[in-house]
Amino acid sequence: AQSVTQLGSHVSVSEGALVLLRCNYSSSVPPYLFWYVQYPNQGLQLLLKYTTGATLVKGINGFEAEFKKSETSFHLTKPSAHMSDAAEYFCAVSFSYNQGGKLIFGQGTELSVKP
Amino acid sequence: GAVVSQHPSWVICKSGTSVKIECRSLDFQATTMFWYRQFPKQSLMLMATSNEGSKATYEQGVEKDKFLINHASLTLSTLTVTSAHPEDSSFYICSAREGRLFSNQPQHFGDGTRLSIL
Repeated sequence: AQSVTQLGSHVSVSEGALVLLRCNYSSSVPPYLFWYVQYPNQGLQLLLKYTTGATLVKGINGFEAEFKKSETSFHLTKPSAHMSDAAEYFCAVSFSYNQGGKLIFGQGTELSVKP
Repeated sequence: GAVVSQHPSWVICKSGTSVKIECRSLDFQATTMFWYRQFPKQSLMLMATSNEGSKATYEQGVEKDKFLINHASLTLSTLTVTSAHPEDSSFYICSAREGRLFSNQPQHFGDGTRLSIL
């Protein structure tokens, strides 16, 4: 069965430091991959997506992610953290063949940014 | 672009009341809409998938008579929690997606509805 694993339910970085949020998926075929951010009491906002083509994907707010098929990973990075990046981040996958393309979410990673 | 509006954002009501939540795609036609439930500090749990003009597909364990979903147009889906009880209190989030089934288009999310049943 397909699944998504986000390593680390909570990540804390200092302002200006590198942000690395890890995401691995389990699937026999390459999925479509997404990163979403959720601020308190709000819905989810799309940061970036990978469907086909270039494996390094740039998103909003300076985030980027790289699809590595051999590692079944789609880690999210940002070179320099801002206080405003503090939020919950969700990695998600979907499949073209599967059940109407519904998303399978990881457990989420809460990012804290220290001044 | 791709804005999804969800209303109301917060509801407090008495046990036994039915509550309707609306989800609208403002600048695109949403062939497919999804309804999620989220518990504190947890990920999203898919409740059902609805396609315009057809019956919703509910996930296992979700009571379809309890959570009524209507997707009557390409821009509006509603979730009605019938005879709500305290255990139905939660954060409900909708999402909408352009394109046909099996599309690789992303889902766009509403801001959620905080439902509190007293």
